[in-house]
Amino acid sequence: GAVVSQHPSWVICKSGTSVKIECRSLDFQATTMFWYRQFPKQSLMLMATSNEGSKATYEQGVEKDKFLINHASLTLSTLTVTSAHPEDSSFYICSASGPGADTQYFGPGTRLTVL
Amino acid sequence: SQQGEEDPQALSIQEGENATMNCSYKTSINNLQWYRQNSGRGLVHLILIRSNEREKHSGRLRVTLDTSKKSSSLLITASRAADTASYFCAITRGTSYDKVIFGPGTSLSVIP
Repeated sequence: GAVVSQHPSWVICKSGTSVKIECRSLDFQATTMFWYRQFPKQSLMLMATSNEGSKATYEQGVEKDKFLINHASLTLSTLTVTSAHPEDSSFYICSASGPGADTQYFGPGTRLTVL
Repeated sequence: SQQGEEDPQALSIQEGENATMNCSYKTSINNLQWYRQNSGRGLVHLILIRSNEREKHSGRLRVTLDTSKKSSSLLITASRAADTASYFCAITRGTSYDKVIFGPGTSLSVIP
């Protein structure tokens, strides 16, 4: 089946630094990728939709200047959390959709801890 | 909000019992999916049921969908301690290129 990977699986950073998270579709071309955030004991909340070669579409309340998304190729989307603060600590999950897919395929997630 | 509700929020049962979780949503859908998530881990896709389907089975899992009531249920039969996890329903209104909207989830504890 289709596989989506994320890197890193976890990251700890200091407040004020920027962190980049990668999402890759390993065996299919993903024209659309999605980024979700999940706080402890809560559900996944969609942050943005990323289409290859175009600007991401952000959900209401998500700061596009803080969460930079780049979908430069059909197999890679990146989420950069700029000037991270402790409240950005969360589990970030991406998903990808490809041609003919019934559903999206989810990555294993990246746990971000901002000190 | 398009986001659905899940019922119950938490469920604790003895090993061997059946577990039923319900999900309701507010909009028309193309399909509904159930996912499992162990604590601190990624999502595991369980079942996808399309809007024109009423019931699907996969091993010990049985999912029903009632589009007239905008609701779905997930039944886990003969539960095991390893089934302990959070379970989420998620809806898609259009194709797989459209966003997936997750319900709040049900936390299931199966006591050995």
